[in-house]
Amino acid sequence: DAGVIQSPRHEVTEMGQEVTLRCKPISGHDYLFWYRQTMMRGLELLIYFNNNVPIDDSGMPEDRFSAKMPNASFSTLKIQPSEPRDSAVYFCASTPDSRETQYFGPGTRLLVL
Amino acid sequence: QKEVEQNSGPLSVPEGAIASLNCTYSDRGSQSFFWYRQYSGKSPELIMSIYSNGDKEDGRFTAQLNKASQYVSLLIRDSQPSDSATYLCAVNKWDTGFQKLVFGTGTRLLVSP
Repeated sequence: DAGVIQSPRHEVTEMGQEVTLRCKPISGHDYLFWYRQTMMRGLELLIYFNNNVPIDDSGMPEDRFSAKMPNASFSTLKIQPSEPRDSAVYFCASTPDSRETQYFGPGTRLLVL
Repeated sequence: QKEVEQNSGPLSVPEGAIASLNCTYSDRGSQSFFWYRQYSGKSPELIMSIYSNGDKEDGRFTAQLNKASQYVSLLIRDSQPSDSATYLCAVNKWDTGFQKLVFGTGTRLLVSP
């Protein structure tokens, strides 16, 4: 299995621009999670899906953030407009069972100038 | 009080020594506990999972769980420089009928040759 795939691996953009991060979960995993990691706040859960349906988006910072999962093999996290404080590493993770471990993708390093 | 607390470190140990990493959690209903290792610039990867009180050993790693004290620990025997990384404690939490993981901010471990 290829594992969780994320793209792009690195993104540098200017404040105000739209940023779209992409994730392909491991085949057969019904749960997909988006996390943000910073030195100050650690690993924070932004939103998670079960069978393509958003279950909990209470971690999404504000309306500038949105996430979709149009099918079982693809999810996007969009930031519009982006701000410098959004600079972080964004991880996608998936699991077949919410009680079990999650498998992380390589992450997207986002820098907003 | 944070839901999952870890000492940020760094914890410095000489090669060959035992490294002890600790974690406390606040939700008494938590039933699944995980230790992840994260190398700099990489994504978290699962080291150990533990579900019942007591010790669980896997090679050089031993996870210890004490639900009464709401305490989880990870012992690394015969520490190697390659063990130098940040160790994240994760605890499951029930939310809206599903379980999700809450991560600590991690303990940085440095193993010196």
